[in-house]
Amino acid sequence: DTGVSQNPRHKITKRGQNVTFRCDPISEHNRLYWYRQTLGQGPEFLTYFQNEAQLEKSRLLSDRFSAERPKGSFSTLEIQRTEQGDSAMYLCASSRPRGQGWNEQYFGPGTRLTVT
Amino acid sequence: QKEVEQNSGPLSVPEGAIASLNCTYSDRGSQSFFWYRQYSGKSPELIMSIYSNGDKEDGRFTAQLNKASQYVSLLIRDSQPSDSATYLCAVMRSNYQLIWGAGTKLIIKP
Repeated sequence: DTGVSQNPRHKITKRGQNVTFRCDPISEHNRLYWYRQTLGQGPEFLTYFQNEAQLEKSRLLSDRFSAERPKGSFSTLEIQRTEQGDSAMYLCASSRPRGQGWNEQYFGPGTRLTVT
Repeated sequence: QKEVEQNSGPLSVPEGAIASLNCTYSDRGSQSFFWYRQYSGKSPELIMSIYSNGDKEDGRFTAQLNKASQYVSLLIRDSQPSDSATYLCAVMRSNYQLIWGAGTKLIIKP
């Protein structure tokens, strides 16, 4: 297995700009998750896809955030009109549909966003 | 009260000793529990998953689960300096969402 990949690894943007992150899950994994993590805290759930369907979205996710997984493979997370409070590490994870360890989530390296 | 609670540490353990990390959770319906290791600036790495009461061993790591007490622990035997990291406890809700503790920072002293 190649692992979960995320791009870009780092993004610096000015307040008010839009940013988009990409996540490529492990190939046979059908579930894909987005989390956000700030310093000293555990990851915070943002949203979850099973194949191309977005099944859960955190109430904490404002309308400025949108995620897609158009063909059930890679996913994108877009943040519109970024704010300084959006600065965080954005993590993507995936899990397999069945078999041993079917609900274990494996994380990509993350995208670190800095909003200036 | 947070859904998943961990002592933030730091927990300092001499090299070669046993490190014991603890986690409590509030949702009695939780069925799946995970320990992740996270090095500074890196993403979480899965160490152990546990679903049934009792112990589960994998190499130097042992996870322990007590659903009646809503308690999960991780033991690291023969601690090495490379084990120095933050250890995150995660509990899965019925909708596959992981709820995380804030992590315990572990320092292994040579």
